[in-house]
Amino acid sequence: SQTIHQWPATLVQPVGSPLSLECTVEGTSNPNLYWYRQAAGRGLQLLFYSVGIGQISSEVPQNLSASRPQDRQFILSSKKLLLSDSGFYLCAWSSAGGGQPQHFGDGTRLSIL
Amino acid sequence: AQSVTQLGSHVSVSEGALVLLRCNYSSSVPPYLFWYVQYPNQGLQLLLKYTTGATLVKGINGFEAEFKKSETSFHLTKPSAHMSDAAEYFCAVSDPGGGYNKLIFGAGTRLAVHP
Repeated sequence: SQTIHQWPATLVQPVGSPLSLECTVEGTSNPNLYWYRQAAGRGLQLLFYSVGIGQISSEVPQNLSASRPQDRQFILSSKKLLLSDSGFYLCAWSSAGGGQPQHFGDGTRLSIL
Repeated sequence: AQSVTQLGSHVSVSEGALVLLRCNYSSSVPPYLFWYVQYPNQGLQLLLKYTTGATLVKGINGFEAEFKKSETSFHLTKPSAHMSDAAEYFCAVSDPGGGYNKLIFGAGTRLAVHP
């Protein structure tokens, strides 16, 4: 069966520090991968998605970037964190093909001080 | 552009009562439709999905949803609420022609269940 792992579960970072959140998927090949942010009390905002190694699409301009160095690895990064980057970050994967649901990791709670 | 509206950011029911969470979408063609549940500090878990075929879809934990094209709705129901159903529920749609299985989420409905 397929599994998705995100780490760390929680992270407290000072303003201006760098960020690296990692997501890996097991049990499937060539998945579509997604990064979302969920601000407190709000819905999910799609940040990035990827359909293959090195292929990244950005949904909103922001202080973050994403990379996919391996088929089942998706990384969310920032060079300098802002207070507004606080939130709950979720990684998800889906199989290719229409109508496939997304499957989510357990998320990373990021607090910026 | 597609959008999803979940009527009611908070819904409160008594244990054993009917659960009804509303979802309406706007799309020029019938989209693929999904319901997810999120417990505190966890990721989203798929409850059910509609792609094609039977319009009444059964999911996990006793939930079901009915796709009504004429009403552009996909409401989630459960005949009898349990305390463990207290969580946030998200309706989502994806465009059959859009590719990449990108989802558009509603703002969510927080369900409270009282004894």
